[in-house]
Amino acid sequence: QSMLTQPPSASGTPGQRVTISCSGSNSNIGSNTVNWYQELPGTAPKLLIHSNNQRPLGVPDRFSGSKSGTSASLAISGLQSEDEADYYCAAWDGSLNGLVFGGGTKLTVL
Amino acid sequence: QVQLVESGGGVVQPGGSLRLSCAASGFIFSSSGMHWVRQAPGKGLDWVAFIRYDGSNTYYAVSVKGRFTVSRDDSKNTLDLQMNSLRSEDTAVYYCARVLPRAQVSAFDMWGQGTMVTVSS
Repeated sequence: QSMLTQPPSASGTPGQRVTISCSGSNSNIGSNTVNWYQELPGTAPKLLIHSNNQRPLGVPDRFSGSKSGTSASLAISGLQSEDEADYYCAAWDGSLNGLVFGGGTKLTVL
Repeated sequence: QVQLVESGGGVVQPGGSLRLSCAASGFIFSSSGMHWVRQAPGKGLDWVAFIRYDGSNTYYAVSVKGRFTVSRDDSKNTLDLQMNSLRSEDTAVYYCARVLPRAQVSAFDMWGQGTMVTVSS
């Protein structure tokens, strides 16, 4: 059972802006940074956003992250067909003394 | 070449044991915290274990605590996962992943290609 809650699916048309939410609690998102991963079909996950809103080198600025209280969001602007993937949020949980992932959101580009 | 390469996966009977390894190259392994993350077929990511860069502390998911042990050998640049008392629900692709330098431990900037573990009679 995931400790972070994400919508199971999201969709948009090319060029649109979509957001994916991630809801947690005081022990995880509320007190630690949030990271986002993109998993393309058949490949290992890739770090997309770290430390709530930082993009690793090579990640397009179409991807952005934000956090407020016990929730976080990933926004993708100028949606492209190659953005079709599964997206996961993750954070450390101080109560569990372990890492928690969201259940994942499958993004479909229509 | 900067990479992580897992090995050791296979088919094992329920109750059996398996040892996974992750070979690191191209970066200073001894400075890196490391995780094991798994993904059951058709399911989401599931965190398994974490070991600090200096091996001083280890952390485990509730589902594997007492059955799995994570360790590292900095002289060989390897990360291991000893898995005992395996159950069908442990069937998954197992990834090792590196903690992004200077970030919190939940940020992994490098992943291996994964190794498949199947627990079945």
